[in-house]
Order: sequence, then structure tokens, then C-alpha cells
Amino acid sequence: DGGITQSPKYLFRKEGQNVTLSCEQNLNHDAMYWYRQDPGQGLRLIYYSQIVNDFQKGDIAEGYSVSREKKESFPLTVTSAQKNPTAFYLCASGDRLSSYEQYFGPGTRLTVT
Amino acid sequence: QKEVEQNSGPLSVPEGAIASLNCTYSDRGSQSFFWYRQYSGKSPELIMSIYSNGDKEDGRFTAQLNKASQYVSLLIRDSQPSDSATYLCAVNPFYNQGGKLIFGQGTELSVKP
Repeated sequence: DGGITQSPKYLFRKEGQNVTLSCEQNLNHDAMYWYRQDPGQGLRLIYYSQIVNDFQKGDIAEGYSVSREKKESFPLTVTSAQKNPTAFYLCASGDRLSSYEQYFGPGTRLTVT
Repeated sequence: QKEVEQNSGPLSVPEGAIASLNCTYSDRGSQSFFWYRQYSGKSPELIMSIYSNGDKEDGRFTAQLNKASQYVSLLIRDSQPSDSATYLCAVNPFYNQGGKLIFGQGTELSVKP
């Protein structure tokens, strides 16, 4: 099965803790993306990566960090510096050859208390 | 001016009717356009891609693109209650070299039995 997996589906953390969200794809896409979605809101881009070992900040990168050591994987760390980390986090992948149409994983719902 | 604009809705249509969802964009050089469907609590799902002026049909869905007027629309024929969801319009702007799609805020569609 080709697709994007995110784990875990639900994640609960205490304030002040860093947490890493997993994203893996087997679509052989070059580009990967992380979005945040708050209730009733649109998608906001956190980070994106066009190629292994390279990534760029999106619109709301503060308090987040990423790595891209393998083509298939693009983990997101939500640090304690993120003021309002509770949200629905979505990972996506896309490819230049298909005009970057993006496919999304199932998402991780993070709750920080 | 927002780069991609959609009416937030909710748009309510009776079962069996045609639902018409509209999206306007600001970058005249945009080349790729996408419609996503997002059920409540789920991740977005790509339902249509369109790249050239005119209509593109896929089952009950028709995407319409008019680059001169800078709008793209999605028609859903024979609407079903299962079509009730938020529909996101996304655009790949000309200036974009990194595959960043610009998403609208989404239109909530409610199909009443």
C-alpha cells in the first residue's frame, strides 16, 4: 500500500516537554510538508522540505524543528518554546512531476496540558 | 487581499441538487489548482486537480478553471449527505519554487436529506 503514515494518532503531553511527531511516506515523493490546523481554521504551513538534508521554514515555524535525513521520513519536533502547541498536525508529500499535488497523512492530534 | 479566497459557508443544499463551490486566487501566473475534501476530524483528501482552462469531470465532480478571471470552481452533481464536508481550494502559484501550495480557508458544505 502506497501512502503516508503518521504516528501516533493521539498524543498527550505535559507543558514544557518536547514531543516528536512521526511522518513516513512510501510514495517516492521528493517534497514533504508539515501543517497545523486549529479548530475551524485552515491549514498553516510549519516547515517543508524539497530534498533530503534540506528544509525551509513555513509561515509559523517558531517553536518547531524538523529533520530530513531520509527521503521517506520527515519528523516534526514540537518544542517547549511553542506557545500554543495543542492542535491537529498534518504531514503531506508531493512531487514536482505532478505539479506538487499533495497527499496527506491521517494526522496527529496533540494535546498539551 | 488573501492569496486564495473561498466563501466560508456553510453552503446548504438539498440532496440531489448541484453544489457549487468557488475559489478565487490572486497570482495570475498560477498553473496548478487542486480541490480537497476534509471530513470533520479527518485529514484532507485530494479529489480533483486541474491545470488548463475549461472543465474537468470525474464522476459527480466537475472542476472548472478560468485563468483570465482567476477563479476555479467545483461542482458536485446529485449531492449526497455523504458529501457534507469542508472543501479546500489550493493553488500552486507561479512564484513558488518549492512546491508550497496556497490553501484557502475552506467552504463547509452541508447536504440535507
